[in-house]
Amino acid sequence: QQPVQSPQAVILREGEDAVINCSSSKALYSVHWYRQKHGEAPVFLMILLKGGEQKGHDKISASFNEKKQQSSLYLTASQLSYSGTYFCGTEGRPSYGKLTFGQGTILTVHP
Amino acid sequence: DAGVIQSPRHEVTEMGQEVTLRCKPISGHNSLFWYRQTMMRGLELLIYFNNNVPIDDSGMPEDRFSAKMPNASFSTLKIQPSEPRDSAVYFCASSPRLSVYPYNEQFFGPGTRLTVL
Repeated sequence: QQPVQSPQAVILREGEDAVINCSSSKALYSVHWYRQKHGEAPVFLMILLKGGEQKGHDKISASFNEKKQQSSLYLTASQLSYSGTYFCGTEGRPSYGKLTFGQGTILTVHP
Repeated sequence: DAGVIQSPRHEVTEMGQEVTLRCKPISGHNSLFWYRQTMMRGLELLIYFNNNVPIDDSGMPEDRFSAKMPNASFSTLKIQPSEPRDSAVYFCASSPRLSVYPYNEQFFGPGTRLTVL
């Protein structure tokens, strides 16, 4: 079953923060985050495992709450390069990469 | 490193014709995934292989779709006969089998944009 992402779209000015949520109706084993720019392929951002760990690199981080079956992606001090569509992909059990992707969140960062 | 290579990048065909999409994964990667992306349905996993063996093809929409991976460096996705509703961007992705599962980042190819008239 497809995870649900919210919001569907968000518009920011450079330097502002954003949070993108990914919720599932099923128990999750892992959550994967990807970003896709228009006309390009999705690019990997990070993987989170059940256990509530938080990961991040640069000013993008994420958390995973297995009890709530949801993950959140945090973009801090957004840059123009952050614009794109963000997808979460979920695994209900270890499956060597069989991901079910959410519908995506369109992030637009303006100068 | 060349990355995942897909061909053709664009394909326009007429309903009823056979279409073959090709993928060369990153050397050394032993998992390969075929996805389809449309505005209506988003990014869907069609089939994936591990060590050239199909593991899960539950996402393949119909018998008109078939996929093969004859060796570690080549895979095909075939649609026969094609229909207008097959129009989409088809992505191939590969993933290494790392020593510590499940850090299996997927590397996507540039995609093939298929238009069936």
